[in-house]
Amino acid sequence: AQSVAQPEDQVNVAEGNPLTVKCTYSVSGNPYLFWYVQYPNRGLQFLLKYITGDNLVKGSYGFEAEFNKSQTSFHLKKPSALVSDSALYFCAVKNTNAGKSTFGDGTTLTVKP
Amino acid sequence: NAGVTQTPKFRVLKTGQSMTLLCAQDMNHEYMYWYRQDPGMGLRLIHYSVGEGTTAKGEVPDGYNVSRLKKQNFLLGLESAAPSQTSVYFCASSFELRYSPLHFGNGTRLTVT
Repeated sequence: AQSVAQPEDQVNVAEGNPLTVKCTYSVSGNPYLFWYVQYPNRGLQFLLKYITGDNLVKGSYGFEAEFNKSQTSFHLKKPSALVSDSALYFCAVKNTNAGKSTFGDGTTLTVKP
Repeated sequence: NAGVTQTPKFRVLKTGQSMTLLCAQDMNHEYMYWYRQDPGMGLRLIHYSVGEGTTAKGEVPDGYNVSRLKKQNFLLGLESAAPSQTSVYFCASSFELRYSPLHFGNGTRLTVT
């Protein structure tokens, strides 16, 4: 069985500071990892993914994520946070069994001016 | 190109009533999924479909039924609604099994009294 853990319910950062949202995973076989963002009253939107290759993945809106196989982690990062980055962030792992995705419980990011 | 469209956006049911949630996608995606989102619990997979005419149970299928008579539509039915089914329901679709991200609708907020 696969699982995803997001150890922080809430992350608070000041605008302009770097941000990190943590994610660890457990999966048998190769991991297919995704980050999504959810704004209020909207569906989830895809940010970035790791399939294979470079451990640092770049995505939308200046976000990037670092894949670490030995630590089974896939942390989301951004060098300089914006107030508009405030949202709910989900990490997910996809398996090859019908492409089913398992999501973490989500982390609320608040960026203060 | 509308992407994934869910109807209705909101609904209030009384215990025991039935309803159908409609999901339509115009991206010619093969794979479609129904998730429910509850506070602090991330997204949980209810049912999914790997192609027209096929459906399968996900993590929390009890109390729900689905149908995929046409490739672009995926219906979620509640035969006898219960207060425990109060949730936000999201439909998602995916082009490919492993590498493609999920495309989400904007959700249906269902309250069962």
